[in-house]
Amino acid sequence: DARVTQTPRHKVTEMGQEVTMRCQPILGHNTVFWYRQTMMQGLELLAYFRNRAPLDDSGMPKDRFSAEMPDATLATLKIQPSEPRDSAVYFCASGTHRDQAKNIQYFGAGTRLSVL
Amino acid sequence: AQKITQTQPGMFVQEKEAVTLDCTYDTSDPSYGLFWYKQPSSGEMIFLIYQGSYDQQNATEGRYSLNFQKARKSANLVISASQLGDSAMYFCAMREGLPSSGGYQKVTFGTGTKLQVIP
Repeated sequence: DARVTQTPRHKVTEMGQEVTMRCQPILGHNTVFWYRQTMMQGLELLAYFRNRAPLDDSGMPKDRFSAEMPDATLATLKIQPSEPRDSAVYFCASGTHRDQAKNIQYFGAGTRLSVL
Repeated sequence: AQKITQTQPGMFVQEKEAVTLDCTYDTSDPSYGLFWYKQPSSGEMIFLIYQGSYDQQNATEGRYSLNFQKARKSANLVISASQLGDSAMYFCAMREGLPSSGGYQKVTFGTGTKLQVIP
């Protein structure tokens, strides 16, 4: 059963520290998304990549957030320096050409980040 | 203005009964797609069902059906014969514009409805 894998599942850190979240998309999926979920804002798109190239990162605070795909099997989201307001659940999702017409995305279980 | 509105923060349903989760949307684009996702307590978002704006029939996937009323701009999810495993958060979402040959488009999510199935 193919799944999107996110690590770590939980992260507690102190303000000012660097945080790196990792995502392994489903093998063969060429599109990767990063979302942030909070009670106040709901689910927000931060960035997405197609064939490892960033297509849209307009939802991401550029001064402290960065997203990359070093290779087709790994996507990373970094926050440096982290702030308490970054506390949220961060989701990675992936998709394929086949699902593109309907925009179907397959989500990981998320990384729950707490910045103290 | 909210693009996706889910007015029911929480719902209860008796096991084996049907339940309708409401979703209204706002767009001026004639081409769009509507989705429902389920988020159980484990956290993972699970795709349930899709409806395109030009689809003539309401979408169905097993016990899930989407009651699409275009004039009212509503896309309610109907779950028939509720099961305990249906207890979860349910999110309605929308893609605006035609599916792009160049790739995915941005999807806007609603705030969700928490469904609890009672034994």
